[in-house]
Amino acid sequence: EVQLVESGGGLVQPGGSLRLSCAASGFTFRSYWMGWVRQTPGKGLEWVSNIKTDGTQIYYVDSVKGRFTISRDNAKNSLFLQMNSLRVEDTAVYYCARHGSWSFDYWGQGTPVTVSS
Amino acid sequence: DIQMTQSPSSLSASVGDRVTITCRASQTGNTYLNWYQQKPGKAPKLLIFAASSLESGVPSRFSGSGSGTDFTLTISSLQPEDFATYYCQQSFSIPWTFGQGTKVEIK
Repeated sequence: EVQLVESGGGLVQPGGSLRLSCAASGFTFRSYWMGWVRQTPGKGLEWVSNIKTDGTQIYYVDSVKGRFTISRDNAKNSLFLQMNSLRVEDTAVYYCARHGSWSFDYWGQGTPVTVSS
Repeated sequence: DIQMTQSPSSLSASVGDRVTITCRASQTGNTYLNWYQQKPGKAPKLLIFAASSLESGVPSRFSGSGSGTDFTLTISSLQPEDFATYYCQQSFSIPWTFGQGTKVEIK
């Protein structure tokens, strides 16, 4: 059974940092592109970042470029999102998701991130 | 960026009804269009990928159609477990973008 379990969310002040992790199991992690998607009540679902199987191709939404870094450790079946210079508008539930056929076919349960002073 | 516009934003329907949700892309998305279902407090679930391909395990009452800029999700006979919010998403170009969602409520 495919499982994706996020961790690392929490409350942080504006300008602070958080590192999200996603532990994957039930599939050959190194064979799949992975991504992060966030959701806010106001803006709905927003794609954040994708990373290729070997980490050699990475994409970000413009609003997080230069502040967020996606990475993966295929030996540990783990996906990460380092979030720096956090802003109030980064407040959201962050989902880790596996790429299917140009889609996200499996999602984690999400980890909430709140940026507030 | 490709903007995705869903209509309606919400609808009320009864069990057994045929429900149609539309999604329009601001630029052609070929058939790189996916549909997700989300229930409160849960992660989105993939229903349809590549505009019309049914994800494994998804009931056949769900179907998708369209290409280019206009796409449709149809539920042929609404079931109680189908009351949820539905999102379209394009994966034709970066940034991948989602529609604003369509909430299907009980009439």
